Amino acid sequence: KQEVTQIPAALSVPEGENLVLNCSFTDSAIYNLQWFRQDPGKGLTSLLLIQSSQREQTSGRLNASLDKSSGRSTLYIAASQPGDSATYLCAVRLDSGGSNYKLTFGKGTLLTVNP
Amino acid sequence: NAGVTQTPKFQVLKTGQSMTLQCAQDMNHNSMYWYRQDPGMGLRLIYYSASEGTTDKGEVPNGYNVSRLNKREFSLRLESAAPSQTSVYFCASSRGVTKGIQTQYFGPGTRLLVL
Repeated sequence: KQEVTQIPAALSVPEGENLVLNCSFTDSAIYNLQWFRQDPGKGLTSLLLIQSSQREQTSGRLNASLDKSSGRSTLYIAASQPGDSATYLCAVRLDSGGSNYKLTFGKGTLLTVNP
Repeated sequence: NAGVTQTPKFQVLKTGQSMTLQCAQDMNHNSMYWYRQDPGMGLRLIYYSASEGTTDKGEVPNGYNVSRLNKREFSLRLESAAPSQTSVYFCASSRGVTKGIQTQYFGPGTRLLVL
């Protein structure tokens, strides 16, 4: 059974700092990995999706990397801002052939960026 | 373009009562999903509908039923609510479940309290 772990569970940093969020998964046979953002009381917003054949994806100040063989992904946020404060979730989709759809989510990292 | 909408936003039920959570998407997506999010458990898939006319069980389907009313709408029904069903429920949609078409878009959630 795929398990996804996110460390740390919570992180507080001063504005302007660069930071890294970690995600690990137990079954390396994944099809892709996604990072989501969730604001308090809101739904999830997809930030980045990395296919299993890719090593990284970038969007603005965000960079996500994937090391499938070691079962790890990192989300790097450059020059953090108070508006980045949210819970960040990673989710993996297994590559089991056919049309397996299922996403397995981690429990998230609660990020607070202090002005 | 509203994306994925959910009603109601918040609901309080007594044990044994029934209710239906409504979800609609205006992105012409084929696939729709229902998740629940509980503290310390992450998001877990309840049911999904790969396409109009089909529904399948996810990870935690017990106590729930679903209806894919048409391509736009996917409802989740609790026939006899239990306190264990207190949770935040998210609906999501995607173009499809097959490989290459997987990004899921989430609604804002329904907060359900069962007393």
